Amino acid sequence: AQTVTQSQPEMSVQEAETVTLSCTYDTSESDYYLFWYKQPPSRQMILVIRQEAYKQQNATENRFSVNFQKAAKSFSLKISDSQLGDAAMYFCAYRSAGGTSYGKLTFGQGTILTVHP
Amino acid sequence: DTGVSQDPRHKITKRGQNVTFRCDPISEHNRLYWYRQTLGQGPEFLTYFQNEAQLEKSRLLSDRFSAERPKGSFSTLEIQRTEQGDSAMYLCASSFSNYNEQFFGPGTRLTVL
Repeated sequence: AQTVTQSQPEMSVQEAETVTLSCTYDTSESDYYLFWYKQPPSRQMILVIRQEAYKQQNATENRFSVNFQKAAKSFSLKISDSQLGDAAMYFCAYRSAGGTSYGKLTFGQGTILTVHP
Repeated sequence: DTGVSQDPRHKITKRGQNVTFRCDPISEHNRLYWYRQTLGQGPEFLTYFQNEAQLEKSRLLSDRFSAERPKGSFSTLEIQRTEQGDSAMYLCASSFSNYNEQFFGPGTRLTVL
């Protein structure tokens, strides 16, 4: 079974600064997807960024980028130019690319990000 | 609003009562997932539907839990004889395929007294 670990229960950053959220995972599979989801307080979860394991290039979405280290099974999220609206719980998630997985997501425990003005 | 919707948003019940939650996925999505999220934790997979077929159930889904998706549209999750340990946020998500993005609903927060 796959596991996802987020070792930082809470992180904080000053507005306009950069912050990195850590995630490690454990799997015996070679083909999979990794995601970062954002869950603002009392609001629904939204996808921030995704990474396909077969791609060596790190994914980037505007101010959000990842550092994907497949051999180390590490998948960190970097948020540049942090904004007050970035404050939320962030979840790292894993999804197998195998045909029997049905696309279910395995989530980490989450990291609460606070952005200070 | 064309997103995933869930009803009710909040449910308070007494131990031993039955509760039912509803999820309406995005209309063209034939994959539907239920997850459970306890306070301060990440969501945990409960079950999955492809159209009306329930193809996978987690070991977390005890015999007191049942889910349906008649006609492959909305889905219901019923919990019988609720226990305090069932208190959690129940999240529904839908996707167009196994490999497309899952869109989440706002969740139903269940409190069992």
